[in-house]
Amino acid sequence: QVQFVQSGAQMREPGASVKVSCKVSGYIFTEYYLHWVRQAPGQGLEWMGRINPTSGASIFAHQFQGRVTLTKDASIDTAYMELINLQPRDTAVYYCARLAGLEPEDYWGQGTLVTVSS
Amino acid sequence: YELKQPPSVSVSLGQTATITCSGDALSKQYAYWYQQKPGQAPKMVIFKDTVRLSGIPERFSGSSSGAVVTLTITEVQAEDEADYYCQSARGNGQYYVFGTGTAVTVL
Repeated sequence: QVQFVQSGAQMREPGASVKVSCKVSGYIFTEYYLHWVRQAPGQGLEWMGRINPTSGASIFAHQFQGRVTLTKDASIDTAYMELINLQPRDTAVYYCARLAGLEPEDYWGQGTLVTVSS
Repeated sequence: YELKQPPSVSVSLGQTATITCSGDALSKQYAYWYQQKPGQAPKMVIFKDTVRLSGIPERFSGSSSGAVVTLTITEVQAEDEADYYCQSARGNGQYYVFGTGTAVTVL
């Protein structure tokens, strides 16, 4: 079955960066875009961007442009999200997800809590 | 760009809950609805405005009219208590956006 397994929780100080991994299994990695969504404590879902796992091309929500990098390693079916210049407001659970395209299905990782605090 | 939802909806057990989502792009782009329970990742319940996903109870339905989409839950059950988010896209459909979210409370 399709599975998304993300890396574990991380703590960072303001100004640092964080890199979250997302290993997928159960389908051909290069056939579907991978999205990143975050959720601050007690807040709503926020779409960050997505990567084309074939070409590596990515697009971002405007509020993340310049601070987020999405990459992939197709040889190990893994995608990565790196966020730089972290601030306390970046404290959130970060999800990787395969959102609906042509088919009515979605798959999500378990989420990675990133805590930014001095 | 924003998709607006009511922050909360309270509904008595067995009654009907209606959640709206409004935004200009909804008249051009499909909407999707997600359910999220505490401590869990979201899961899609409605695809392309009206299609209920496999395994989702028939009491969940979606509709669309112009720039407003609606999620309706008839005969609400206790297990339907959750946060619900609409999701669509803007521009050429590449840039996704989530609604502000609605907390459904079952009385």
